Amino acid sequence: QVQLVESGGGVVQPGRSLRLSCAASGFTFSSYGMHWVRQAPGKGLEWVAVISYDGNNKYYADSVKGRFTISRDNFKNTLYLQMDSLRAEDTAVYFCAKDPGSGYCNIASCSLTYFDFWGQGTLATVSS
Amino acid sequence: QSVLTQPPSVSGAPGQRVSISCTGSSSNIGAGYDVHWYQHLPGTAPKLLIYNNRNRPSGVPDRFSGSKSGTSASLAITGLQAEDEADYYCQSFDSSLTFHLVFGGGTKLTVL
Repeated sequence: QVQLVESGGGVVQPGRSLRLSCAASGFTFSSYGMHWVRQAPGKGLEWVAVISYDGNNKYYADSVKGRFTISRDNFKNTLYLQMDSLRAEDTAVYFCAKDPGSGYCNIASCSLTYFDFWGQGTLATVSS
Repeated sequence: QSVLTQPPSVSGAPGQRVSISCTGSSSNIGAGYDVHWYQHLPGTAPKLLIYNNRNRPSGVPDRFSGSKSGTSASLAITGLQAEDEADYYCQSFDSSLTFHLVFGGGTKLTVL
């Protein structure tokens, strides 16, 4: 069965960096797009970023563009989120989620996207 | 606030039917983009309930159904059970400005 296990969360000061990981199993990781979605305390879900199955196409929410980098290692079946220049408002539980398609994102293909499997999330707290 | 609007909470007794609305605009649901629904018990992995407006993944009971009309969508749950108590989120795509994937603010379902 599909399993997604996030790790790497913790407490970090504003302006510092954190790298999240998501270990995938139970499916052919290299065939599917992957996403990061976050949930701030007491708030709803917010999409963060998507990466295509081959890692060549990446898209970001405006709130993290230029500060966060999504990447993947298809040999290790692992998804990453490098978070730099962190702000207090980045405090959230970060979920990785699988795309049922390739993850290639343009206005035509991204409009069809949803998340068919999710991990349990890892908490990143940005605080001085 | 969220691009898609959901009621903060709904409730119902066991066995009853409840409906959760998701209201958007002409740049998302009204533009014809599909709506998807997720169930989330805090501390666990969110679960896909409905995709492409009305389709259920395998393993999701047929007590859950989805519909879409105009700029809105709805999730209906019949035969409410205690285990249905959770947060529910709608999700779609928005083409305004920098296009992106959007969620509703979430609805807390309480089974009385």
